[in-house]
Amino acid sequence: DTVLTQSPALAVSPGERVSISCRASEGVNSYMHWYQQKPGQQPKLLIYKASNLASGVPARFSGSGSGTDFTLTIDPVEADDTATYFCQQSWNDPWTFGGGTKLELK
Amino acid sequence: EVQLVESGGGLVQPGRSMKLSCAASGFTFSNYGMAWVRQAPTKGLEWVATISYDGSSTYYRDSVKGRFTISRDNAKSTLYLQMNSLRSEDTATYYCTRIHTGFAYWGQGTLVTVSS
Repeated sequence: DTVLTQSPALAVSPGERVSISCRASEGVNSYMHWYQQKPGQQPKLLIYKASNLASGVPARFSGSGSGTDFTLTIDPVEADDTATYFCQQSWNDPWTFGGGTKLELK
Repeated sequence: EVQLVESGGGLVQPGRSMKLSCAASGFTFSNYGMAWVRQAPTKGLEWVATISYDGSSTYYRDSVKGRFTISRDNAKSTLYLQMNSLRSEDTATYYCTRIHTGFAYWGQGTLVTVSS
């Protein structure tokens, strides 16, 4: 299986820029997607195919990368962005998720 | 507005069966592949099964192959997950999702607890 590795947690101040990384154990082309999950809620798609903003998602969110290294960037960070962010690949079977990065606001 | 509403979860004993349903609305259900994704308490996300738009193709993660069956009724805009021989490690919130370059939409989830 393709293992996706994310840092467990990050803490940033509102107004700052934050980058959340996701590294794949093997190439996934551009088929990397990012989700936001707030406590007690279902995940929400933010970015699809590495760099495409999902419908209704603020332009503060952006994605980049290809192959094995991908980044989700939030600029500027707002208080409402407190959540866990997951990456997910759909290039290799089975589709897999990263362990999630918990973003906390200082 | 796309809506996915899961039902059928609850407490079940190990080795028993349970069937989850997902009622879809706000889009043409028969045009999209669908999937189930689960999340064990305080854990990460795990893809479970996928079904093509017309039900002709299905895919499962290894740990549920032979025990779970994903199906759909396009006339009723409903997705199903039949779960047999349930194990404690199947305990999770099960989400119904619509596929389109990733899991584009998610239901609110239904909790399945496997315990004696």
